[in-house]
Amino acid sequence: GAVVSQHPSRVICKSGTSVKIECRSLDFQATTMFWYRQFPKQSLMLMATSNEGSKATYEQGVEKDKFLINHASLTLSTLTVTSAHPEDSSFYICSARVVGTSGGADTQYFGPGTRLTVL
Amino acid sequence: ILNVEQSPQSLHVQEGDSTNFTCSFPSSNFYALHWYRWETAKSPEALFVMTLNGDEKKKGRISATLNTKEGYSYLYIKGSQPEDSATYLCASHVDSNYQLIWGAGTKLIIKP
Repeated sequence: GAVVSQHPSRVICKSGTSVKIECRSLDFQATTMFWYRQFPKQSLMLMATSNEGSKATYEQGVEKDKFLINHASLTLSTLTVTSAHPEDSSFYICSARVVGTSGGADTQYFGPGTRLTVL
Repeated sequence: ILNVEQSPQSLHVQEGDSTNFTCSFPSSNFYALHWYRWETAKSPEALFVMTLNGDEKKKGRISATLNTKEGYSYLYIKGSQPEDSATYLCASHVDSNYQLIWGAGTKLIIKP
């Protein structure tokens, strides 16, 4: 259980184009999903919290007009990198929150990530 | 600013040997500590979530301990196997905020 898919796994695009990345919870519903970015040899950096049916909450320094997040259903969140530039090249990974039972801590289940290369 | 530190950054271990590595996290307002295993080209896999000081969790040959007062957790692997090769991530929950603060991981390579 608790499987999260992410597509595409790898994308190469030209500078100035937009790229959409999908994150799906396959066997459970997720009201909250997270989008992370990872630079080489660094920690996962939280970009935004995606909430089903409402606006995403962006972390400080993340441009919401650049990284559009839509969480239109309980199983799908999308991240669109608009007008991508080479500095947007990175590894993007999503996770879905599963609420802890009996007052326990939540767990996040991850997709396999997307490697974006902007030429 | 809250930081989660993991050491070492990478580790080469002979097959069959046991090993351990460390996760340091802020002890104030501690809520939970998570360990994940991340194999190349796969999704990070949740290993443990720990909340109580002195807690110890075990999953097969992998176990973890937690010291919330001094802010560290150890992950132990007994009798390392090639399939243990992965990056091991820890992440801290502060208060009941469901966001996680991540360490940069320990990359474990098992040599046959």
